[in-house]
Amino acid sequence: SQKIEQNSEALNIQEGKTATLTCNYTNYSPAYLQWYRQDPGRGPVFLLLIRENEKEKRKERLKVTFDTTLKQSLFHITASQPADSATYLCALNRRALTFGSGTRLQVQP
Amino acid sequence: DGGITQSPKYLFRKEGQNVTLSCEQNLNHDAMYWYRQDPGQGLRLIYYSQIVNDFQKGDIAEGYSVSREKKESFPLTVTSAQKNPTAFYLCASSEDRSRMNTEAFFGQGTRLTVV
Repeated sequence: SQKIEQNSEALNIQEGKTATLTCNYTNYSPAYLQWYRQDPGRGPVFLLLIRENEKEKRKERLKVTFDTTLKQSLFHITASQPADSATYLCALNRRALTFGSGTRLQVQP
Repeated sequence: DGGITQSPKYLFRKEGQNVTLSCEQNLNHDAMYWYRQDPGQGLRLIYYSQIVNDFQKGDIAEGYSVSREKKESFPLTVTSAQKNPTAFYLCASSEDRSRMNTEAFFGQGTRLTVV
């Protein structure tokens, strides 16, 4: 069956550093992949979408890569800030958007 | 304001009761979805609908039912058959699932607790 795996352990980094989050998937070849941010007690908010023919996508301090050979996407936040602290979810479109379990990012001031 | 609205924000259910969670959107989106989220977990798909009067089971549909009588509305009923209903429920919508490349917009969620 299809699996979407994100590191379940929280990622703790210092302010100003680059945070890198990983999303791996198996048994599927998505045409695109999405990243969302979720704050506690709230619904996820869309951040970026990357298509299979795009190796990299950027939006302000965010960068996403998509390696269809490795079946992996990396999500980077450069010059991280405490306000970036949240859970980040990757999602693939199968019958509907299917989400990974998310990785919690904590940026220390 | 365009958006997707879930109500209520908090809901308490007694054992054996059915409860209905409301989800309304004014984004003119064709597709709507219901997800369940347990503490520290990701989102699991309960039901989705691509068009009015049609809906499909997701990965964990047992104990739940939905209807899609209007484009704007996609209510979820948690029935007494759902043995562990305590969770955070999220409704979402997107323009058109068949395009496969549109973002989803989420409501603020309903936290359901069995008492």
